[in-house]
Amino acid sequence: DAKTTQPPSMDCAEGRAANLPCNHSTISGNEYVYWYRQIHSQGPQYIIHGLKNNETNEMASLIITEDRKSSTLILPHATLRDTAVYYCIVKRWGWNGNKLVFGAGTILRVKS
Amino acid sequence: GAGVSQSPSNKVTEKGKDVELRCDPISGHTALYWYRQSLGQGLEFLIYFQGNSAPDKSGLPSDRFSAERTGGSVSTLTIQRTQQEDSAVYLCASSLEGGTSGSRYEQYFGPGTRLTVT
Repeated sequence: DAKTTQPPSMDCAEGRAANLPCNHSTISGNEYVYWYRQIHSQGPQYIIHGLKNNETNEMASLIITEDRKSSTLILPHATLRDTAVYYCIVKRWGWNGNKLVFGAGTILRVKS
Repeated sequence: GAGVSQSPSNKVTEKGKDVELRCDPISGHTALYWYRQSLGQGLEFLIYFQGNSAPDKSGLPSDRFSAERTGGSVSTLTIQRTQQEDSAVYLCASSLEGGTSGSRYEQYFGPGTRLTVT
């Protein structure tokens, strides 16, 4: 599975959009981009995933560049409850097992 | 619907004792995973079940760790002769389908069991 690079931390004002970047320059054509987050003292929570096209759900939007070498998770109106560690994971199912390999992630701090 | 549940939520045990941690996955999810997170550390994969078999045990740190899954549902992670370095939060996750089908189902995590070895 491709390696990902994320900034260690970011701050965002409450009510503003939070844009979390992820670089995955070695991604291959059949690898998906997944985003999870972990709020303090809770288990990780799935947010969104995508392959090539931009995706949107009730939680967030995922923008993947045309060359697929990077992506951005967008929380459109961040709230204090969105303060968490956000993990970008690139995964090809069935390859090297199906386990998720979590990096250090990005600590997002939403401030009032 | 009901999510992944784990029990106990907290467990304090003495060094050298055995412990069992339980995971109830989401109904119908064929894949089940165990991870652990030590204080200040990242999430570390332990073992993966597809149905009742475990095709990937590569993350189990020693032979003191074992896990089983019965009926394609409940899983138990057992740690024998616990050591202080086993202290961590043990997380269970399930997904609708794993395997090599190319499916891409997301994993849903439980709240974890916090294990403290004194």
